[in-house]
Amino acid sequence: DTAVSQTPKYLVTQMGNDKSIKCEQNLGHDTMYWYKQDSKKFLKIMFSYNNKELIINETVPNRFSPKSPDKAHLNLHINSLELGDSAVYFCASSQGRSPLHFGNGTRLTVT
Amino acid sequence: GENVEQHPSTLSVQEGDSAVIKCTYSDSASNYFPWYKQELGKRPQLIIDIRSNVGEKKDQRIAVTLNKTAKHFSLHITETQPEDSAVYFCAASRVVGGGADGLTFGKGTHLIIQP
Repeated sequence: DTAVSQTPKYLVTQMGNDKSIKCEQNLGHDTMYWYKQDSKKFLKIMFSYNNKELIINETVPNRFSPKSPDKAHLNLHINSLELGDSAVYFCASSQGRSPLHFGNGTRLTVT
Repeated sequence: GENVEQHPSTLSVQEGDSAVIKCTYSDSASNYFPWYKQELGKRPQLIIDIRSNVGEKKDQRIAVTLNKTAKHFSLHITETQPEDSAVYFCAASRVVGGGADGLTFGKGTHLIIQP
């Protein structure tokens, strides 16, 4: 069983489109995250979500919006996609004294 | 906020030799320092972590040292093997796992093991 699973694995779309990436964790963790890894491999947090409290990295454009239907899911919706949004997006989760655990990533390519 | 600097960006060593990657951090309140290994096309995976009440931790061929006064920590890999080739990331946070603020990562070190 994959502890943190995200879909799709690959996403190719055109500029201006709206897309979503789904994430689910079965670890029982109470905090979920979205990280972005750019072409230079730099990993940066975008959002954290804990008990309905959303913490947003101030550098993230408001075209990005996380949505959490329940504690085990944190989806990422992106409006009006731009070329610069091309990256690998990692969902992750943690709780208390447990380390951060990443999903397998979604490679987004905007053409 | 926290800022983590990591060096070198690329490190090439002969198989069997040791490799050392160094990181510095800025937030004196940071207490948790994990290291992640990312193989090509895969997710980052935790290989070792250290908390601020410990100066050194070892797990087989890998070890991490922490100097809280100087705000730096290092990853040491001994007897390197081809499967150690990957990108390694250091990170820092105030709580284990990152908490509400998440982990702040260094920019990564591409470790190349030469046969």
